[in-house]
Amino acid sequence: EPEVTQTPSHQVTQMGQEVILRCVPISNHLYFYWYRQILGQKVEFLVSFYNNEISEKSEIFDDQFSVERPDGSNFTLKIRSTKLEDSAMYFCASSERRRTSGNTIYFGEGSWLTVV
Amino acid sequence: SQKIEQNSEALNIQEGKTATLTCNYTNYSPAYLQWYRQDPGRGPVFLLLIRENEKEKRKERLKVTFDTTLKQSLFHITASQPADSATYLCALDEGGGADGLTFGKGTHLIIQP
Repeated sequence: EPEVTQTPSHQVTQMGQEVILRCVPISNHLYFYWYRQILGQKVEFLVSFYNNEISEKSEIFDDQFSVERPDGSNFTLKIRSTKLEDSAMYFCASSERRRTSGNTIYFGEGSWLTVV
Repeated sequence: SQKIEQNSEALNIQEGKTATLTCNYTNYSPAYLQWYRQDPGRGPVFLLLIRENEKEKRKERLKVTFDTTLKQSLFHITASQPADSATYLCALDEGGGADGLTFGKGTHLIIQP
């Protein structure tokens, strides 16, 4: 079964450094998402991406964050100047059509980011 | 914005019994309500979606109900098995053009042999 793949599975970075989390969405999917989950907390929406631009973003997704689809398969989340509170599991997800049509989204296994 | 309440305490159920999990929400009813399973350190896995005009949805041993009057969804697993042990997340689809799902904290279900 097709799946969303994410790399790295775990990354440790020093505070103030930049990190890039990578995702390969399911091949025929057109909508891509990033969510995050702080340890012990709920899954939170960060951003959605369609047709090479941001479709929607949450209050969490401030200027520290950016997303990009650098080629036909990868979808990346960049976090600049990381802070301790950025430590979380970051999930990439994709859907075939726009999710608001009741379309299912498929999550990757996550990238665990630890900022020290 | 919507708030979702799920019983965050662990729910212990004897194998073979029916497990019932509750999801309550505030404010307006969502266009869709979804249930996901999440195992430790893994990503959420989609289980069922129910629309606001549907009362009940079934898939194998799973059943979801949606009561817009009570602002509540119930998630049932019949003939529960130890392999069903996981955290189950309720997620609301606001509709109206919003892309982001709003998740509850989830209920940790433990099926005891």
